[in-house]
Amino acid sequence: AQSVAQPEDQVNVAEGNPLTVKCTYSVSGNPYLFWYVQYPNRGLQFLLKYITGDNLVKGSYGFEAEFNKSQTSFHLKKPSALVSDSALYFCAVRDMRDSSYKLIFGSGTRLLVRP
Amino acid sequence: SQTIHQWPATLVQPVGSPLSLECTVEGTSNPNLYWYRQAAGRGLQLLFYSVGIGQISSEVPQNLSASRPQDRQFILSSKKLLLSDSGFYLCAWSAEYEQFFGPGTRLTVL
Repeated sequence: AQSVAQPEDQVNVAEGNPLTVKCTYSVSGNPYLFWYVQYPNRGLQFLLKYITGDNLVKGSYGFEAEFNKSQTSFHLKKPSALVSDSALYFCAVRDMRDSSYKLIFGSGTRLLVRP
Repeated sequence: SQTIHQWPATLVQPVGSPLSLECTVEGTSNPNLYWYRQAAGRGLQLLFYSVGIGQISSEVPQNLSASRPQDRQFILSSKKLLLSDSGFYLCAWSAEYEQFFGPGTRLTVL
């Protein structure tokens, strides 16, 4: 069965400091991996994805994520956090063989960037 | 470019009343469509998905149903709402890789 774990309910970081939001996954086949961000009372916005190729993927708003197959992880990172990055972040995985394109989402991590 | 619409944006309904939430996608054809519910601003629960007109798969048995009468239209319904149906309902579409989400409908059942 596919699953995604986001072990931290909340991550606190000071503005200007680097941030990391952790994600590990479990999928029987090769994974497609995604990060989304959600602001209050809004839908989810796509940030970045890993499909194949370079393990380091860059996305919107200066975010990046590194695919680590041996550790089954896909942590989200940003070199310098902004107060406006404060939001709810979701990691998601899809088995590349699944023709329904269903995503399995983690429980979400709330990022709080303090001024 | 593709856009996805949901309406209404907010809805307050009494227990036992019917429900109809609509989702439409523009700028793409034959998308896979999805309905999610998000409770208490956290995790997403996949309710239904559809890979084509009239094709609906249910992920969780519940008080809700879904229909896809047209290629780019996805409807979430209930005959009688329960208090537990309150939540934030999100529609999404997918072409090949990522999913794209609508703005959501906030449903409060009183």
